[in-house]
Amino acid sequence: EAGVVQSPRYKIIEKKQPVAFWCNPISGHNTLYWYRQNLGQGPELLIRYENEEAVDDSQLPKDRFSAERLKGVDSTLKIQPAELGDSAVYLCASTRGANREETQYFGPGTRLLVL
Amino acid sequence: DAKTTQPNSMESNEEEPVHLPCNHSTISGTDYIHWYRQLPSQGPEYVIHGLTSNVNNRMASLAIAEDRKSSTLILHRATLRDAAVYYCIPSGQGAQKLVFGQGTRLTINP
Repeated sequence: EAGVVQSPRYKIIEKKQPVAFWCNPISGHNTLYWYRQNLGQGPELLIRYENEEAVDDSQLPKDRFSAERLKGVDSTLKIQPAELGDSAVYLCASTRGANREETQYFGPGTRLLVL
Repeated sequence: DAKTTQPNSMESNEEEPVHLPCNHSTISGTDYIHWYRQLPSQGPEYVIHGLTSNVNNRMASLAIAEDRKSSTLILHRATLRDAAVYYCIPSGQGAQKLVFGQGTRLTINP
């Protein structure tokens, strides 16, 4: 079974430019998560989807960040415009359902550097 | 969410057991205790979870204190591949709501 796929793995952009990250969760996983991980810190949740519905986006900076999960499968996270402080690793994860004993499966992340 | 306290770093030797402690004194009665680890340049991966009883799987063992205010992740025979940051995460919503702290950076010496 393929794991969570993310692309690109690395991205370098100049500030004020837009950037997008793509995630393909494990097949059959209804719940999808986007996290941001700053250097030396643990991952922080940005948004959680149940199928195509964003059920927790309280930590998503909505002035510049947006996300979508059309058809409840793949998801895209966008930043426009990017700022220097957005340099981080962006992680995508998925779970099959809402059972409290579910396991989150993480992708390898996209490492973003904003110059 | 329960507040957790873990050592910033620990060091051990290859092929020796490792005990990684976690204090979660504000844990509620229904919170599961999850452990994830993150190898260098990878996303976190699940290690083990439990509620009240001690748990074993192929990766590790989880010992939960009787009052549930602390737990210990046990790696029975550490290998170099076990070098990672280990996160202890109590969660009332299970995998739906994992709040990561800074974790413990484990170094394994050959």
